[in-house]
Amino acid sequence: KAGVTQTPRYLIKTRGQQVTLSCSPISGHRSVSWYQQTPGQGLQFLFEYFSETQRNKGNFPGRFSGRQFSNSRSEMNVSTLELGDSALYLCASSLPLTGPNTEAFFGQGTRLTVV
Amino acid sequence: KQEVTQIPAALSVPEGENLVLNCSFTDSAIYNLQWFRQDPGKGLTSLLLIQSSQREQTSGRLNASLDKSSGRSTLYIAASQPGDSATYLCAVVTGGFKTIFGAGTRLFVKA
Repeated sequence: KAGVTQTPRYLIKTRGQQVTLSCSPISGHRSVSWYQQTPGQGLQFLFEYFSETQRNKGNFPGRFSGRQFSNSRSEMNVSTLELGDSALYLCASSLPLTGPNTEAFFGQGTRLTVV
Repeated sequence: KQEVTQIPAALSVPEGENLVLNCSFTDSAIYNLQWFRQDPGKGLTSLLLIQSSQREQTSGRLNASLDKSSGRSTLYIAASQPGDSATYLCAVVTGGFKTIFGAGTRLFVKA
């Protein structure tokens, strides 16, 4: 059974550019969550998608957005990149119907560096 | 506002020692608590999930307990090995499907 797949694994972007990250959940999982991890702030919740709808959102500016497709794959977009957006971006997937009482499985992450 | 704290921030032990990692949370209204392991630069590996109605879960040398009323969870690692060296994170799922992580405990097991 394939795990959570995130692409690309590494990205280098320039300030002001935009970037799109992709996450393919485990087959059958319909909930996908995104997190930002930095040395200073730790793991911070960005947003969660379930059945193509954003079900929850963390405290990040509107430059951070996402979407989920009908096959449960999710993309995250960051516009007008800032140096402080450099981080490891992680996505997690979980089973659908039992709400939060399910185990979350993480991908290997995308390391974004903004220069 | 839910806050999750992990103590200690870092821990170094000799191989073979049993150890306990601590996780505390401020709001006892949680759906579940999950322990993860993270190796440097990598994603998170799920270790144990404890539902809100459960008191503990075990997997191999790992045992996690949950005391909702006191807002505490512990991860017990028996007979530690150098391969256990990693950062251990706990996370709680609160109302509205929000997951809040602790800052983690960096564990180093010396051979």
